[in-house]
Amino acid sequence: GNSVTQMEGPVTLSEEAFLTINCTYTATGYPSLFWYVQYPGEGLQLLLKATKADDKGSNKGFEATYRKETTSFHLEKGSVQVSDSAVYFCAPAVGTSYGKLTFGQGTILTVHP
Amino acid sequence: DVKVTQSSRYLVKRTGEKVFLECVQDMDHENMFWYRQDPGLGLRLIYFSYDVKMKEKGDIPEGYSVSREKKERFSLILESASTNQTSMYLCASSLPGGFNEQFFGPGTRLTVL
Repeated sequence: GNSVTQMEGPVTLSEEAFLTINCTYTATGYPSLFWYVQYPGEGLQLLLKATKADDKGSNKGFEATYRKETTSFHLEKGSVQVSDSAVYFCAPAVGTSYGKLTFGQGTILTVHP
Repeated sequence: DVKVTQSSRYLVKRTGEKVFLECVQDMDHENMFWYRQDPGLGLRLIYFSYDVKMKEKGDIPEGYSVSREKKERFSLILESASTNQTSMYLCASSLPGGFNEQFFGPGTRLTVL
């Protein structure tokens, strides 16, 4: 079945630092790939997604590129803000029909002023 | 504004009690999901439903059941609550297909004493 390996946290950065959160997966075929974010006290919300190889998803300054060859979908941001402090989840889709997702264990990001 | 709502934010129950967690979505989505979220384990799928009265087991269905009598409502039932079911429970909904995002509720923090 599918599995996801996500960079362990917690990650602590200063404001304006560069962020990378690694994510690799195993899956049958070429699933759509998602990053979700969970801000303190809230449910998860979609951050960005990519549906085919070499697609780049982007939102709020975050980017991730669908790398078929390395089965990876690393999350990056050039300059983090305190408001980016949250838990980030990598999630490849399971198959193509029902829309099930396999979630990574989550990476806690804390950004200090 | 699209929404997934959950009946309680916090719930405290006793071991052996029957517990109902309710989830309602207003987006006319076919798919609905129940997850539990535990530190270091990410989100794990308990059950999902792809249509009214249709359900399938997820990765950790033991000790849980579900009910979907109407399209907008998906209930999670703990037949006899146990302390190892203390967790955060998240409900989500989506359109069918592996490329559609899931929309999440705010979660229910359940404590079983």
